[in-house]
Amino acid sequence: EVQLVESGGGLEQPGGSLRLSCAASGFTLTTYAMAWVRQAPGKGLEWVSSILPTGITHYADSVKGRFTISRDNSRNMLYLQMISLRAEDTALYYCAKTKMESTSNMIFDYWGQGTRVTVSS
Amino acid sequence: EVVLTQSPATLSLSPGERATLSCRASQSVDVYLAWFQQKPGQAPRLLIYDASNRATGIPARFSGSGSGTDFTLTISSLEPEDFGVYYCQQRKYWPPVTFGGGTKVDIK
Repeated sequence: EVQLVESGGGLEQPGGSLRLSCAASGFTLTTYAMAWVRQAPGKGLEWVSSILPTGITHYADSVKGRFTISRDNSRNMLYLQMISLRAEDTALYYCAKTKMESTSNMIFDYWGQGTRVTVSS
Repeated sequence: EVVLTQSPATLSLSPGERATLSCRASQSVDVYLAWFQQKPGQAPRLLIYDASNRATGIPARFSGSGSGTDFTLTISSLEPEDFGVYYCQQRKYWPPVTFGGGTKVDIK
């Protein structure tokens, strides 16, 4: 059974850093493209970043240069390192798996329950 | 960036009624459009991918149609558990992956 469990969220001051983690089980993370998607309070969904099976990464313009997506193949973990945090980064951050192996498709078939990030002084 | 516009913003219906939700893309995305359902306090759930393919375990009352710039999600007969917010998402031109603003389906 596929499971995604996020952790690492919390309250951080503007300019601070956080590292989000996503523990994947039921599949081999490296054979699927993975993504982070966030949802600000009361708002819609916003794609943040993706990492492909090849290791190629992509970012939304709003986080480029501040966020880094990575994975640990041996631990089947996905990460999002966030620096220079801003108030507008406040959101629930979801980890999402894509549907087909070994491709760059962005069909998000499984989602975690999310980890909440609050950026405030 | 492909902008997805969903309408209506809110749909008030009774159980048993038919729901028709619209998603319009700012440029053609072929059939590379998905639909998600989100209930309060829950993660989004994939309903439809590539315009008309039901995801695993999704009931047949959910159907998707369209291509190019105009897409429709239809719920043939609303069940009480179908109320929530529905989002469309395109993957034709990414990055960035983009989502629509959502349609809330609530109980009339």
